[in-house]
Amino acid sequence: AQSVTQPDIHITVSEGASLELRCNYSYGATPYLFWYVQSPGQGLQLLLKYFSGDTLVQGIKGFEAEFKRSQSSFNLRKPSVHWSDAAEYFCAVGGTGTASKLTFGTGTRLQVTL
Amino acid sequence: SAVISQKPSRDICQRGTSLTIQCQVDSQVTMMFWYRQQPGQSLTLIATANQGSEATYESGFVIDKFPISRPNLTFSTLTVSNMSPEDSSIYLCSVGRVNTEAFFGQGTRLTVV
Repeated sequence: AQSVTQPDIHITVSEGASLELRCNYSYGATPYLFWYVQSPGQGLQLLLKYFSGDTLVQGIKGFEAEFKRSQSSFNLRKPSVHWSDAAEYFCAVGGTGTASKLTFGTGTRLQVTL
Repeated sequence: SAVISQKPSRDICQRGTSLTIQCQVDSQVTMMFWYRQQPGQSLTLIATANQGSEATYESGFVIDKFPISRPNLTFSTLTVSNMSPEDSSIYLCSVGRVNTEAFFGQGTRLTVV
């Protein structure tokens, strides 16, 4: 069965600092990988996705993520965090043929200090 | 992409009652799913809503508690039956097409008192 691990429950960074959120997955084949963001009281917004090809993917709001098969990781990065980035971030894996059927990690809550 | 309308957006219900949540998509989609997000938790898949047939439930979820309908390719309902306070959660509808990302509705915030 597929699974996703987000080791960091809560991260605090200063505005303007760089950010890396960790995600490790377990899946028997080449996975479809996603990062979603959820702001308080809001639904989930897709930040970026990896299906195949270039292992460094660019997303919205200046985020990027790198797929590393050897490490079963898909870490999310942003070079300079803005106060509006404070939210809950979820890494998710989808299965071949059913990419939209997702298994989510436990989430990382990002707090941004001014 | 897909625009998803979920109703109601929130509700407060008495224990022992049932609530039906609707999910309407602006275009035909192959896949429709229902998730539950308990307070402070991640999302857990309840079931896949299958058009014209019974939903496929994940382990720990049963049809008697969470009956689901999907009469066509743009609409689905989830009913939370015989509610207890433990059912207080956000329920989210998501949709997708074959090998595409999932799109989510805004969710229904349910409080059971």
